[in-house]
Amino acid sequence: EDKVVQSPLSLVVHEGDTVTLNCSYEVTNFRSLLWYKQEKKAPTFLFMLTSSGIEKKSGRLSSILDKKELFSILNITATQTGDSAVYLCAVKGAQKLVFGQGTRLTINP
Amino acid sequence: NAGVMQNPRHLVRRRGQEARLRCSPMKGHSHVYWYRQLPEEGLKFMVYLQKENIIDESGMPKERFSAEFPKEGPSILRIQQVVRGDSAAYFCASSPRIPGQVLSPLHFGNGTRLTVT
Repeated sequence: EDKVVQSPLSLVVHEGDTVTLNCSYEVTNFRSLLWYKQEKKAPTFLFMLTSSGIEKKSGRLSSILDKKELFSILNITATQTGDSAVYLCAVKGAQKLVFGQGTRLTINP
Repeated sequence: NAGVMQNPRHLVRRRGQEARLRCSPMKGHSHVYWYRQLPEEGLKFMVYLQKENIIDESGMPKERFSAEFPKEGPSILRIQQVVRGDSAAYFCASSPRIPGQVLSPLHFGNGTRLTVT
């Protein structure tokens, strides 16, 4: 059965810190790995990764995939209170998208 | 371009009643996914549908739950004889089908929060 495991489950840091969120996976017929940010409502799409070693970047957020070791990381630099959210990692196999349990990130001012 | 629309936003049902959750995908999207989220947990896959066709229902409970995506109209997730354990947020997501391209992120609706009393 396809499986996605995120760590840590919860993280509290101060504004301005840099954080790294981890995602490891086991999936049949890997197609892509996606990161989402969820505040109170719908998960919003951040990144989709399909190739190893190619960093995707959007402002202070970046992510990279290692298909050999089956994991991905999401980095957030110079964190702000607006970054507080649950960050979800998901992996797409042949059909469905399987989610991890999420990392709850809290940024304290 | 409107996003994925789900209604109602909140639904309260008594035990034993039926719940119907609706999802209209983004314009041009022909694939719909339903996920369930319990408090403090991740999203659990339930079912993946194309119009008039269930592709993967491996996450659907065997009883009381059903889903459809008719040729016209929204996708419906139906829960019969609801129990307290059905209380959760139910999210719908859609993706396009682009010939020759299988990789596309899912776009989520704002969810329906079902409360069973």
